[in-house]
Amino acid sequence: AQSVSQHNHHVILSEAASLELGCNYSYGGTVNLFWYVQYPGQHLQLLLKYFSGDPLVKGIKGFEAEFIKSKFSFNLRKPSVQWSDTAEYFCAARIVGGFKTIFGAGTRLFVKA
Amino acid sequence: EAGVTQFPSHSVIEKGQTVTLRCDPISGHDNLYWYRRVMGKEIKFLLHFVKESKQDESGMPNNRFLAERTGGTYSTLKVQPAELEDSGVYFCASSQNPPTEAFFGQGTRLTVV
Repeated sequence: AQSVSQHNHHVILSEAASLELGCNYSYGGTVNLFWYVQYPGQHLQLLLKYFSGDPLVKGIKGFEAEFIKSKFSFNLRKPSVQWSDTAEYFCAARIVGGFKTIFGAGTRLFVKA
Repeated sequence: EAGVTQFPSHSVIEKGQTVTLRCDPISGHDNLYWYRRVMGKEIKFLLHFVKESKQDESGMPNNRFLAERTGGTYSTLKVQPAELEDSGVYFCASSQNPPTEAFFGQGTRLTVV
């Protein structure tokens, strides 16, 4: 069955700490991969996406993610977090040519000022 | 450009009542999706419209849920009669053809008491 797993449900960091959120997917074919973020009181918005090409993808607000096909992983990273990064982060996958997006359970990040 | 808008933002209803959620996609987006997130769990796909046609309703929980997309514009999701387990946040999203990323609304938080 298609699924997306996020390793951590809650993460607490201090400002300036580095961030890595784990994501693994299980799919029967080639996938497009996404990270979405939901800031408190706001809608889900796209941080970054991987369709093809360079497996290291740069997104908004200094985030990046690396697609490692052999590990079925798409981990999100940021070298130095800010208080404003406090949000919930969702990893998602969609089979190439498909429409249905499968989401992970989300990771709540709290950054202490 | 207006984003995806959902109405209402919150709804509290009693078990057995009917509720209708509305979604206005981004203008020109043929694809419209409904998702649901039950507390703390993953965001789950409910169904997908292309214009006014249902392409995939494999995620609809049961026949108490009815989705429509009149004229291929806005969509409604009706729950009748509502049960306690229907509580959650209902997200609507839209995308172009072919789909790149999906743009999400702010969600409707439904509470059935």
